[in-house]
Amino acid sequence: GNSVTQMEGPVTLSEEAFLTINCTYTATGYPSLFWYVQYPGEGLQLLLKATKADDKGSNKGFEATYRKETTSFHLEKGSVQVSDSAVYFCALREGSTLGRLYFGRGTQLTVWP
Amino acid sequence: GEEVAQTPKHLVRGEGQKAKLYCAPIKGHSYVFWYQQVLKNEFKFLISFQNENVFDETGMPKERFSAKCLPNSPCSLEIQATKLEDSAVYFCASSQLTRKGKSSYEQYFGPGTRLTVT
Repeated sequence: GNSVTQMEGPVTLSEEAFLTINCTYTATGYPSLFWYVQYPGEGLQLLLKATKADDKGSNKGFEATYRKETTSFHLEKGSVQVSDSAVYFCALREGSTLGRLYFGRGTQLTVWP
Repeated sequence: GEEVAQTPKHLVRGEGQKAKLYCAPIKGHSYVFWYQQVLKNEFKFLISFQNENVFDETGMPKERFSAKCLPNSPCSLEIQATKLEDSAVYFCASSQLTRKGKSSYEQYFGPGTRLTVT
């Protein structure tokens, strides 16, 4: 079956620190992979995506590379800001473009000034 | 509209009462998804639609949950005889094939409806 496992939080960092949030997946086919971000009291916003192996998704300084050999899609940012404080969700979608999303359990990130 | 709209923002129901949630997808989007966020972070898929047709309902607790997407109306998710365990935030998402024909089908999420069952 399909599932996503991401590192448990919370993660607490100082401003300008390096961020890594690990995400691994299990899929029956060739999934597309996503990172979503949820700010307090809001819905999910798509942060970045990758649709095939070795693709790198990037947005707002965040990056993640689709690694088929390790079934991973780790989220990284070189220098975090206070405004990055949020919950981050790794997700996959099956090969079908109409497919539902499978989410990890989310990682709470808090960045202190 | 340009965003997924969900109403109401908050809903409080006594155990056993009915709850009805609404979702207006982004204009032009044909696909609608409902997710339930429980225990603060865990997302559970409920059901998806392609226009007014159910596409995938594998996540729906069929005994008390039902959903519809009718033409020219907001989609709805209804819970009959709510239980304490139904307390959650319910998110709706919509998607559509991009104009250039790329099959990205990104899902755009609404702000959610927080249901509290007392």
